[in-house]
Amino acid sequence: QVQLMESGGGLVKPGGSLRLSCAASGFTLSDYYMSWLRQAPGKGLEWVSLISSGPGTYTNYADSVKGRFTISRDNAKNSFYLQMNSLRVEDTALYYCARDPANGVGGWFDPWGQGTLVTVSS
Amino acid sequence: QSVLTQPPSVSGAPGQRVTISCAGSSSNIGANYDVHWYQQLPGTAPKLLIYSNTNRPSGVPDRFSGSKSGTSASLAISGLQPEDEADYYCQSYGSSLGGFYVFGTGTKVTVL
Repeated sequence: QVQLMESGGGLVKPGGSLRLSCAASGFTLSDYYMSWLRQAPGKGLEWVSLISSGPGTYTNYADSVKGRFTISRDNAKNSFYLQMNSLRVEDTALYYCARDPANGVGGWFDPWGQGTLVTVSS
Repeated sequence: QSVLTQPPSVSGAPGQRVTISCAGSSSNIGANYDVHWYQQLPGTAPKLLIYSNTNRPSGVPDRFSGSKSGTSASLAISGLQPEDEADYYCQSYGSSLGGFYVFGTGTKVTVL
């Protein structure tokens, strides 16, 4: 069964850091483009970052997180991560990880994890 | 922040047909990139509903259908059911320079 499970969310002060993890089961994560997405309370969906398949040498970030967030992958653990630094109040959201079955341009997200909540507040 | 525009809400009685529009531009939908649709039931993660404009994943009822024309796309729900009450989002490709994947603003479907 293809599944994704996020972890690592929590409460952090503005300017702080947090590392999110996403563990995959039922498929080999390195075969696919993988992404982090987020949904602020009561708001819509926003794509945050992607890491490409294979060596994972291609990464991309939304302008809102560029320079503060870093995506990475551990093939041995079939997991990928989002290191979030210099967190801002506006980064408060439910963070989802998701797989792109089409691997890139024109792709979509399936499946999604259940989400992990990140709250940035003093 | 959303690049694709959807109506905030649509409603219909059980059994009726409703449609949700998704307006893009020549940079995304109009550049011949595919449109995908997601259903988000209250308190749950989004679920893929339609991919590549018109295709339903296994298990999605055939009362859900998608279409695309020019710079916009639409999701139709025929024979509306109470369990269809949810938020719906469209999604397409943005550009490699920023916003690789772009989403619609979201539409709340209410079953009267």
